[in-house]
Amino acid sequence: EIVLTQSPGTLSLSPGERATLSCRASQSVSSSYLAWYQQKPGQAPRLLIYGASSRATGIPDRFSGSGSGTDFTLTINRLEPEDFAVYYCQQYGSSPLTFGGGTKVEIK
Amino acid sequence: QLQLQESGPGLVKPSETLSLTCTVSGGSISSSSYYWGWIRQPPGKGLEWIGIIYYDGSPYYNPSLKSRITISVDTSKNQFSLKLNSVTAADTAVYYCARHTTRARGVGATDYWGQGTLVTVSS
Repeated sequence: EIVLTQSPGTLSLSPGERATLSCRASQSVSSSYLAWYQQKPGQAPRLLIYGASSRATGIPDRFSGSGSGTDFTLTINRLEPEDFAVYYCQQYGSSPLTFGGGTKVEIK
Repeated sequence: QLQLQESGPGLVKPSETLSLTCTVSGGSISSSSYYWGWIRQPPGKGLEWIGIIYYDGSPYYNPSLKSRITISVDTSKNQFSLKLNSVTAADTAVYYCARHTTRARGVGATDYWGQGTLVTVSS
């Protein structure tokens, strides 16, 4: 199975700053079948990005995804107060689907 | 608006079977455009994909759980279900039902999630 490693574990930033989250795969992710999710305490995850770089419906354009192969990045420009949460990457190019361990974006 | 709602016991004894049902509203589970599945999250930890099922009943399971799980679908009730047998404390988690999109020759991202239900395994 493909193991996804997210870094850093925690990112401490202020509102208005840019967040850069990394997701590295143990082997190449087929056709960039990589998604990003946001999870707030007590809530289900929400799909942000699919296909490595396509925003899901209703997701603000300050969220962007990039990357291919084994290295992927989620960038959040101009952090808003509601963006402080935990972010997970997921690969769906091969079975079993797998998730990264998550990156927590916290207020500095 | 599509909604998914998990239901089932919140407490299961060790060695017994965990059974959950997901009721889908606002959309048809019989659509060929989606898979329906389960994902779990132990308290304070990350996400684990359990498995999915297609409307025709074809299941795909995580090999790590394959020997203990059954996912089934009831299109007449617009529901799908999870059974996990021989549970231990390690199976304590929030269980989410979810919709997966489709992609070329396979399952896509997870675009809709239920609110999740905590299942505790304890005597």
